[in-house]
Amino acid sequence: GAVVSQHPSWVICKSGTSVKIECRSLDFQATTMFWYRQFPKQSLMLMATSNEGSKATYEQGVEKDKFLINHASLTLSTLTVTSAHPEDSSFYICSALLGGPETQYFGPGTRLLVL
Amino acid sequence: AQTVTQSQPEMSVQEAETVTLSCTYDTSESDYYLFWYKQPPSRQMILVIRQEAYKQQNATENRFSVNFQKAAKSFSLKISDSQLGDAAMYFCAYGRRNAGNMLTFGGGTRLMVKP
Repeated sequence: GAVVSQHPSWVICKSGTSVKIECRSLDFQATTMFWYRQFPKQSLMLMATSNEGSKATYEQGVEKDKFLINHASLTLSTLTVTSAHPEDSSFYICSALLGGPETQYFGPGTRLLVL
Repeated sequence: AQTVTQSQPEMSVQEAETVTLSCTYDTSESDYYLFWYKQPPSRQMILVIRQEAYKQQNATENRFSVNFQKAAKSFSLKISDSQLGDAAMYFCAYGRRNAGNMLTFGGGTRLMVKP
């Protein structure tokens, strides 16, 4: 149980294009999902908290207009990197919160390379 | 702000032996929970073990157990009978229900298992 999928697992795009990443909780409903970014050999950095039916809460320093988050259903959150640039190349990981007990379960991550 | 510190960037253990990974955290809260996550080379974050702060009994999951010292704000992970598949990055994390269930991660410990 508590499986989270993420799609795509790999994406290469040209500078200036937008990329959408999907995060799905497959066997449970999640009112709250989280988006992280991880640089090589570093820990996870929280970008934003995604709440179903409401606006996402962004961490300090994360541009909300660049990283658009939509949590339209209890099993799906999307992260859109708008007008991507090479510095946006990174590993993006989502998690979904399973309540009682509150535990985050993670997707397999998406490797984004912007050329 | 809460901080989580993993003082061992790398650890090494012989297959079948026992290893302990250290984690300390700083908080003024009394109601919180702690996690150990494993990130193998695939980069999928996998939940290893969870501990509620109000529980005095240390959590155990098969070969994995914790030593939770609340007063000392210490949360170490013991891996018994180490296996080659245990080789991974291990992240300690702190979370609070009343803080949106966001997790604060430590910097990670890379565990190598020698055959």
